[in-house]
Amino acid sequence: AQTVTQSQPEMSVQEAETVTLSCTYDTSESDYYLFWYKQPPSRQMILVIRQEAYKQQNATENRFSVNFQKAAKSFSLKISDSQLGDAAMYFCAYRPGKLVFGQGTRLTINP
Amino acid sequence: DTEVTQTPKHLVMGMTNKKSLKCEQHMGHRAMYWYKQKAKKPPELMFVYSYEKLSINESVPSRFSPECPNSSLLNLHLHALQPEDSALYLCASSQGLYTGELFFGEGSRLTVL
Repeated sequence: AQTVTQSQPEMSVQEAETVTLSCTYDTSESDYYLFWYKQPPSRQMILVIRQEAYKQQNATENRFSVNFQKAAKSFSLKISDSQLGDAAMYFCAYRPGKLVFGQGTRLTINP
Repeated sequence: DTEVTQTPKHLVMGMTNKKSLKCEQHMGHRAMYWYKQKAKKPPELMFVYSYEKLSINESVPSRFSPECPNSSLLNLHLHALQPEDSALYLCASSQGLYTGELFFGEGSRLTVL
């Protein structure tokens, strides 16, 4: 069975600092997608970044970047220059087929 | 602006009521999804439609009845719900059933009294 594990239920960071959220997954597939979604209190699930497994280069989106280690089945998210608006629940997710979510990491930004 | 629109945003219903949640997308996506999310938990998949046909039903109780009238619309009909069905119901769409990311709506917050 495909599983996604986020080992940090909660994290906090000072505004303007850098924080890394961890995610590991288990799969026997060789081709798949990995995502980080953000869900602020407004509740809409927003895509932060995506990574195709066949791409060796780590994805980046402005202040967000990932460290994708396919052999280790690890997919961490780094947020640089943290801003108050980054405060949210962050979910790591895997597909093809069903989108399998991790349990989430609640990120707090301290001013 | 969200490209997946859900109505209503909030719904309160009694256990004997019949109501519906609606979802619409205009991105030309061929797969649409219903998820249920309890507080502080990840979303749980309920149903998946691909090309307007039901592809996945995650053993959801029959008091939830999905419907896909066309490629842009997805409904979730609710009847005889239980208080434990109170949750945030999220609709999502994707280009295909096995590829790409899911785009989510803002959700419908359901309270069953």
